Amino acid sequence: QSALTQPASVSGSPGQSITISCTGTSSDVGSYNLVSWYQQHPGKAPKLMIYEGSKRPSGVSNRFSGSKSGNTASLTISGLQAEDEADYYCCSYAGSSTFVFGTGTKVTVL
Amino acid sequence: EVQLVESGGGLVQPGGSLRLSCAASGFTFSTYWMHWVRQAPGKGLVWVSRIKTDGSSTDHADSVKGRFTISRDNAKNTLYLQMNSLRAEDTAIYYCARGGQVGGLDYWGQGTLVTVSS
Repeated sequence: QSALTQPASVSGSPGQSITISCTGTSSDVGSYNLVSWYQQHPGKAPKLMIYEGSKRPSGVSNRFSGSKSGNTASLTISGLQAEDEADYYCCSYAGSSTFVFGTGTKVTVL
Repeated sequence: EVQLVESGGGLVQPGGSLRLSCAASGFTFSTYWMHWVRQAPGKGLVWVSRIKTDGSSTDHADSVKGRFTISRDNAKNTLYLQMNSLRAEDTAIYYCARGGQVGGLDYWGQGTLVTVSS
Protein backbone atom coordinates (compact mmCIF):
# COMPACT_ATOMS: atom_id res chain seq x y z
CA GLN A 1 0.00 0.00 0.00
CA SER A 2 1.59 3.26 -1.11
CA ALA A 3 1.45 6.35 1.07
CA LEU A 4 -1.08 9.01 0.16
CA THR A 5 0.52 11.98 -1.59
CA GLN A 6 0.75 15.32 0.19
CA PRO A 7 2.78 18.43 -0.70
CA ALA A 8 6.03 18.50 1.26
CA SER A 9 5.44 22.03 2.46
CA VAL A 10 2.84 24.77 2.53
CA SER A 11 3.28 28.25 3.92
CA GLY A 12 1.17 31.29 4.63
CA SER A 13 1.12 34.54 6.55
CA PRO A 14 -0.80 35.00 9.78
CA GLY A 15 -4.51 35.42 9.11
CA GLN A 16 -4.38 33.79 5.68
CA SER A 17 -5.96 30.51 4.67
CA ILE A 18 -4.02 27.53 3.40
CA THR A 19 -5.11 24.18 1.99
CA ILE A 20 -3.25 20.88 2.18
CA SER A 21 -4.14 18.21 -0.35
CA CYS A 22 -4.03 14.47 0.16
CA THR A 23 -4.22 12.41 -3.00
CA GLY A 24 -4.94 8.72 -2.96
CA THR A 25 -6.65 6.29 -5.28
CA SER A 26 -10.07 4.82 -5.91
CA SER A 27 -9.07 2.03 -3.51
CA ASP A 28 -8.63 4.26 -0.50
CA VAL A 29 -9.58 7.96 -0.37
CA GLY A 30 -12.00 7.62 -3.27
CA SER A 31 -13.86 4.64 -1.87
CA TYR A 32 -14.42 5.55 1.75
CA ASN A 33 -15.47 8.60 3.73
CA LEU A 34 -12.88 7.68 6.35
CA VAL A 35 -10.14 10.27 5.96
CA SER A 36 -8.67 11.73 9.12
CA TRP A 37 -6.11 14.50 9.62
CA TYR A 38 -3.43 14.81 12.31
CA GLN A 39 -1.30 17.69 13.53
CA GLN A 40 2.15 16.91 14.92
CA HIS A 41 4.43 19.44 16.58
CA PRO A 42 8.15 18.59 16.78
CA GLY A 43 8.87 15.92 19.37
CA LYS A 44 5.19 15.49 20.19
CA ALA A 45 2.57 12.85 19.51
CA PRO A 46 0.09 13.43 16.69
CA LYS A 47 -3.26 15.05 17.48
CA LEU A 48 -6.53 14.26 15.70
CA MET A 49 -7.88 17.34 13.92
CA ILE A 50 -10.48 15.95 11.50
CA TYR A 51 -12.21 12.58 11.18
CA GLU A 52 -14.60 11.09 8.63
CA GLY A 53 -13.42 13.63 6.13
CA SER A 54 -14.94 16.76 7.61
CA LYS A 55 -15.86 16.29 11.26
CA ARG A 56 -14.01 18.07 14.06
CA PRO A 57 -13.42 16.45 17.44
CA SER A 58 -14.47 18.41 20.48
CA GLY A 59 -11.90 21.05 21.33
CA VAL A 60 -10.47 21.47 17.83
CA SER A 61 -10.72 24.99 16.49
CA ASN A 62 -13.33 25.63 13.79
CA ARG A 63 -10.50 27.22 11.78
CA PHE A 64 -9.74 23.67 10.68
CA SER A 65 -12.01 22.11 8.06
CA GLY A 66 -11.88 19.06 5.84
CA SER A 67 -13.37 18.07 2.52
CA LYS A 68 -13.04 15.49 -0.24
CA SER A 69 -13.47 15.38 -3.98
CA GLY A 70 -12.90 12.14 -5.81
CA ASN A 71 -9.57 10.64 -4.79
CA THR A 72 -8.32 13.81 -3.09
CA ALA A 73 -9.01 14.97 0.44
CA SER A 74 -8.16 18.45 1.68
CA LEU A 75 -7.50 20.18 4.97
CA THR A 76 -8.03 23.93 5.12
CA ILE A 77 -6.68 26.09 7.91
CA SER A 78 -8.24 29.53 7.95
CA GLY A 79 -7.02 32.51 9.97
CA LEU A 80 -3.55 30.98 10.13
CA GLN A 81 -1.84 31.40 13.50
CA ALA A 82 1.73 30.87 14.67
CA GLU A 83 0.66 27.84 16.72
CA ASP A 84 -0.54 26.11 13.53
CA GLU A 85 3.06 25.67 12.42
CA ALA A 86 3.50 21.89 12.51
CA ASP A 87 3.50 18.77 10.37
CA TYR A 88 0.14 17.54 9.11
CA TYR A 89 -0.75 14.02 8.01
CA CYS A 90 -3.82 12.61 6.36
CA CYS A 91 -4.90 9.02 6.85
CA SER A 92 -7.44 6.88 5.01
CA TYR A 93 -8.97 3.46 5.38
CA ALA A 94 -7.52 1.48 2.49
CA GLY A 95 -9.72 -1.58 2.41
CA SER A 96 -8.80 -5.11 3.46
CA SER A 97 -8.74 -3.89 7.07
CA THR A 98 -5.71 -1.66 6.55
CA PHE A 99 -5.00 2.03 6.81
CA VAL A 100 -2.58 4.32 4.99
CA PHE A 101 -1.09 7.64 6.03
CA GLY A 102 -0.05 10.49 3.80
CA THR A 103 3.54 11.58 3.22
CA GLY A 104 3.12 14.57 5.50
CA THR A 105 3.12 18.33 4.98
CA LYS A 106 5.17 20.87 6.89
CA VAL A 107 3.17 24.04 7.46
CA THR A 108 5.19 27.20 7.95
CA VAL A 109 3.70 30.45 9.23
CA LEU A 110 5.66 33.27 7.65
CA GLU B 1 -8.19 11.93 31.71
CA VAL B 2 -7.32 9.52 28.93
CA GLN B 3 -3.71 8.36 29.13
CA LEU B 4 -1.72 5.95 26.99
CA VAL B 5 1.81 5.15 28.14
CA GLU B 6 4.09 3.03 25.97
CA SER B 7 7.09 1.10 27.25
CA GLY B 8 9.44 -1.66 26.16
CA GLY B 9 11.43 0.12 23.49
CA GLY B 10 15.20 -0.08 23.25
CA LEU B 11 18.17 -1.25 21.24
CA VAL B 12 17.94 -4.70 19.67
CA GLN B 13 20.08 -6.53 17.14
CA PRO B 14 18.76 -7.43 13.68
CA GLY B 15 16.80 -10.66 13.88
CA GLY B 16 15.97 -10.07 17.52
CA SER B 17 12.66 -9.66 19.32
CA LEU B 18 11.00 -7.04 21.49
CA ARG B 19 7.61 -6.65 23.12
CA LEU B 20 6.08 -3.23 23.47
CA SER B 21 3.37 -2.43 26.01
CA CYS B 22 0.85 0.37 26.18
CA ALA B 23 -0.85 0.98 29.52
CA ALA B 24 -4.24 2.64 29.17
CA SER B 25 -6.18 4.60 31.77
CA GLY B 26 -8.99 7.12 32.03
CA PHE B 27 -11.44 5.26 29.78
CA THR B 28 -13.10 1.86 29.39
CA PHE B 29 -10.27 0.14 27.54
CA SER B 30 -12.30 -2.94 26.59
CA THR B 31 -14.73 -0.92 24.46
CA TYR B 32 -12.21 0.59 22.05
CA TRP B 33 -10.26 -0.71 19.09
CA MET B 34 -6.56 0.01 19.55
CA HIS B 35 -3.79 0.68 17.03
CA TRP B 36 -0.01 0.84 16.72
CA VAL B 37 1.52 3.49 14.45
CA ARG B 38 5.25 4.02 13.90
CA GLN B 39 7.46 6.87 12.75
CA ALA B 40 11.03 6.39 11.61
CA PRO B 41 13.40 9.20 12.65
CA GLY B 42 12.64 12.28 10.58
CA LYS B 43 10.02 10.43 8.54
CA GLY B 44 6.24 10.19 8.31
CA LEU B 45 3.62 8.19 10.15
CA VAL B 46 3.00 4.58 9.15
CA TRP B 47 0.08 2.46 10.32
CA VAL B 48 1.25 -0.87 11.77
CA SER B 49 -1.57 -2.85 13.41
CA ARG B 50 -5.01 -2.74 15.01
CA ILE B 51 -7.01 -4.98 17.31
CA LYS B 52 -10.70 -5.28 18.01
CA THR B 53 -12.19 -4.53 21.41
CA ASP B 54 -12.18 -8.13 22.62
CA GLY B 55 -9.01 -9.18 20.80
CA SER B 56 -10.90 -11.51 18.46
CA SER B 57 -9.75 -9.73 15.31
CA THR B 58 -6.36 -8.30 14.39
CA ASP B 59 -4.94 -6.62 11.29
CA HIS B 60 -1.38 -5.81 10.29
CA ALA B 61 0.36 -3.85 7.57
CA ASP B 62 2.00 -6.01 4.90
CA SER B 63 5.43 -4.76 5.99
CA VAL B 64 5.09 -6.43 9.41
CA LYS B 65 2.71 -9.29 8.67
CA GLY B 66 4.11 -12.59 9.94
CA ARG B 67 6.67 -10.82 12.15
CA PHE B 68 4.59 -8.58 14.45
CA THR B 69 1.60 -9.59 16.58
CA ILE B 70 -0.77 -7.21 18.27
CA SER B 71 -2.63 -8.37 21.37
CA ARG B 72 -4.38 -6.98 24.42
CA ASP B 73 -5.24 -7.84 28.00
CA ASN B 74 -8.47 -6.08 28.90
CA ALA B 75 -8.16 -7.14 32.53
CA LYS B 76 -4.88 -5.24 32.72
CA ASN B 77 -5.93 -2.39 30.40
CA THR B 78 -2.82 -3.04 28.37
CA LEU B 79 -2.06 -3.27 24.65
CA TYR B 80 0.95 -5.18 23.33
CA LEU B 81 3.03 -5.45 20.19
CA GLN B 82 5.25 -8.50 19.90
CA MET B 83 7.94 -7.81 17.33
CA ASN B 84 10.04 -10.67 15.98
CA SER B 85 12.67 -10.94 13.23
CA LEU B 86 13.40 -7.26 13.58
CA ARG B 87 15.10 -5.40 10.75
CA ALA B 88 16.95 -2.11 10.55
CA GLU B 89 13.95 -0.60 8.76
CA ASP B 90 11.79 -1.28 11.82
CA THR B 91 13.72 1.42 13.68
CA ALA B 92 11.12 3.99 14.71
CA ILE B 93 9.11 5.57 17.47
CA TYR B 94 6.13 3.32 18.10
CA TYR B 95 2.90 5.00 19.19
CA CYS B 96 -0.18 3.30 20.53
CA ALA B 97 -3.42 5.08 19.67
CA ARG B 98 -7.08 4.68 20.51
CA GLY B 99 -9.54 4.14 17.70
CA GLY B 100 -12.22 6.77 18.18
CA GLN B 101 -15.81 5.64 18.56
CA VAL B 102 -16.74 7.94 15.71
CA GLY B 103 -13.60 7.63 13.60
CA GLY B 104 -9.95 8.60 13.57
CA LEU B 105 -7.30 7.89 16.19
CA ASP B 106 -8.40 10.21 18.95
CA TYR B 107 -5.76 9.70 21.65
CA TRP B 108 -2.07 8.87 21.29
CA GLY B 109 0.69 7.89 23.68
CA GLN B 110 4.03 9.68 23.79
CA GLY B 111 5.73 6.85 21.92
CA THR B 112 8.60 4.47 22.63
CA LEU B 113 11.76 4.31 20.51
CA VAL B 114 12.87 1.03 18.98
CA THR B 115 16.34 0.92 17.46
CA VAL B 116 17.41 -2.11 15.44
CA SER B 117 21.15 -2.11 14.98
CA SER B 118 24.19 -4.30 15.47
